[in-house]
Amino acid sequence: DTAVSQTPKYLVTQMGNDKSIKCEQNLGHDTMYWYKQDSKKFLKIMFSYNNKELIINETVPNRFSPKSPDKAHLNLHINSLELGDSAVYFCASSQDWGAGNTIYFGEGSWLTVV
Amino acid sequence: SQKIEQNSEALNIQEGKTATLTCNYTNYSPAYLQWYRQDPGRGPVFLLLIRENEKEKRKERLKVTFDTTLKQSLFHITASQPADSATYLCALDGSSYKLIFGSGTRLLVRP
Repeated sequence: DTAVSQTPKYLVTQMGNDKSIKCEQNLGHDTMYWYKQDSKKFLKIMFSYNNKELIINETVPNRFSPKSPDKAHLNLHINSLELGDSAVYFCASSQDWGAGNTIYFGEGSWLTVV
Repeated sequence: SQKIEQNSEALNIQEGKTATLTCNYTNYSPAYLQWYRQDPGRGPVFLLLIRENEKEKRKERLKVTFDTTLKQSLFHITASQPADSATYLCALDGSSYKLIFGSGTRLLVRP
């Protein structure tokens, strides 16, 4: 059974378009995340939600908007896509919020903006 | 500034040898440090967590050490196998409990 699943896995789109990536976890975790991994392989946190409440919002352009309809889902919507948005986006979850939580990642969504 | 540094160069070793990967950090005081494995085209997978008051942690062929004085963690894989080839990421708790990742070290185990 897939623990953290995200769709689509691959997304190629033109500059200026709006796109969404969906994520679901079936682990019963309270906390979910979006991470971005760039071409240099740095994995950087973008957002985190705990029980549907936004608790981390890193310095990310306003074009990126997360939405958590319930604690098992965290979607990422990106407006007006730019070339620099091309990256791999990972959804993840952890049991709860706080130090020492291990994180379970999805398989990633490869976004290419052309 | 805060940094987590892992060897950017790939580590290339012979099967059966011990692989040792290094994670150094500056201007952090983490209570926990974690190691993850990432295969090409996949998401990172958790391997081990070590607490600041633990010197060493083991799991099967894996061993992690954590030296808060040196601000360093070492990750060892004994009796390495080609299937251990992957990128290994260290991660630690930054401010506000954010888990901050290093850029990873690629390990290649030759048969």
